[in-house]
Amino acid sequence: GENVEQHPSTLSVQEGDSAVIKCTYSDSASNYFPWYKQELGKGPQLIIDIRSNVGEKKDQRIAVTLNKTAKHFSLHITETQPEDSAVYFCAPQGGYNKLIFGAGTRLAVHP
Amino acid sequence: NAGVTQTPKFQVLKTGQSMTLQCAQDMNHEYMSWYRQDPGMGLRLIHYSVGAGITDQGEVPNGYNVSRSTTEDFPLRLLSAAPSQTSVYFCASSYDEGRSEAFFGQGTRLTVV
Repeated sequence: GENVEQHPSTLSVQEGDSAVIKCTYSDSASNYFPWYKQELGKGPQLIIDIRSNVGEKKDQRIAVTLNKTAKHFSLHITETQPEDSAVYFCAPQGGYNKLIFGAGTRLAVHP
Repeated sequence: NAGVTQTPKFQVLKTGQSMTLQCAQDMNHEYMSWYRQDPGMGLRLIHYSVGAGITDQGEVPNGYNVSRSTTEDFPLRLLSAAPSQTSVYFCASSYDEGRSEAFFGQGTRLTVV
């Protein structure tokens, strides 16, 4: 089946620094690549996504880059703030909108 | 607009008991799915549905049943609860294959003793 690996598993940064999380996947048929943010006690929430016909997408402080040849995509957060502290999941999508989640990255932003 | 609503939020079961986790969405989404989340892991797909009357198994279906009689509701049934089913369960919905953003409920924390 699909194999999804996410690195690093934990990331600690100072407020204002940048954070980068990388996700590699195995299913070459995947064509939709979302990133979800999960805060304590809540369900995951989509923060940014990209489709396979696009290499990069940006939304204010958040960006996602995709390298479909190498089968990896990355989440970039600039000017991090304490409210960015959460667990982040990549979840490349297969058919029927089935999401295959990475193990998650716990991001801590220290004031 | 409530989005995806899961009930109950918390549940404790004894081994061997059965129960149904409820999931309802009011966004007229065709696709719905159930995931479980265990400590330190990502979410794993249990069952999914692409429309009323159509369901299929995901990655970890054993011990769970689903049905989809309406577009809005997608209940998950535990037939005979086991301690290994202690987890947090999330229901998600999305519109269709072309509009893929998944919306998640707040989760049900289930403990089987």
